[in-house]
Amino acid sequence: QSALTQPASVSGSPGQSITISCTGSSSDFRNYGLVSWYQQHPGEAPRLIILENTNRPSGISDRFSASTSDNTASLTISGLQAEDEADYYCCLYGNTQTSDVIFGGGTTLAVL
Amino acid sequence: QVQLQESGPGLVKPSQTLSLTCTVSGDSVTSGNYPWSWLRQTAGKGLEWIGSVQAVGRTNYNPSLKSRVTILLDTAKNQFSLRVTSVTAADTAVYFCARDSTSLTGEWGYWGQGTPVTVS
Repeated sequence: QSALTQPASVSGSPGQSITISCTGSSSDFRNYGLVSWYQQHPGEAPRLIILENTNRPSGISDRFSASTSDNTASLTISGLQAEDEADYYCCLYGNTQTSDVIFGGGTTLAVL
Repeated sequence: QVQLQESGPGLVKPSQTLSLTCTVSGDSVTSGNYPWSWLRQTAGKGLEWIGSVQAVGRTNYNPSLKSRVTILLDTAKNQFSLRVTSVTAADTAVYFCARDSTSLTGEWGYWGQGTPVTVS
């Protein structure tokens, strides 16, 4: 298994929508099956914003949505706000044989 | 509310053993089947899962670290710990303890604030 590929950076203006991609091998996506997403502000711990591919934990804004297809997971943030400026990480998990996970390299979102 | 707090030395010499403890409040490390995990973050490699332990006694480790890592539960103190042996500069990172939101590792809904560890 190899690390998941994310764009190093994306940017958008307040009110706009952006999408962050997370790409890996088809076999990894098939073997792991589940994707989670994390938001991390500087100096803070990551925060879970998506689990089980598309589900938001309680308290996470519905401006965050996600999808998965073949070997790519995507996180979409709509109605960008200044507070969305952060690093975002995808995580592939759910492999019942290995019980490990695969992280993406992270994407820095700039709200211009 | 579940809270986690890492503690341990911030500086470790090369070849020695890194030891950290995560103290849990607002939950019991023996309740449910939640994996209690350690992760770390370096500037160069991003986030990395180190391993996890469950109350049922099951441990899982990142294959790349498995030979050097031990994660244990201390039910009496409601803590879990991390030991990494034979450390090198590559082990310099911010170390986080975390709890999954379900029984699956990969859905960390609860995190400690992180503790920086330098190997030098």
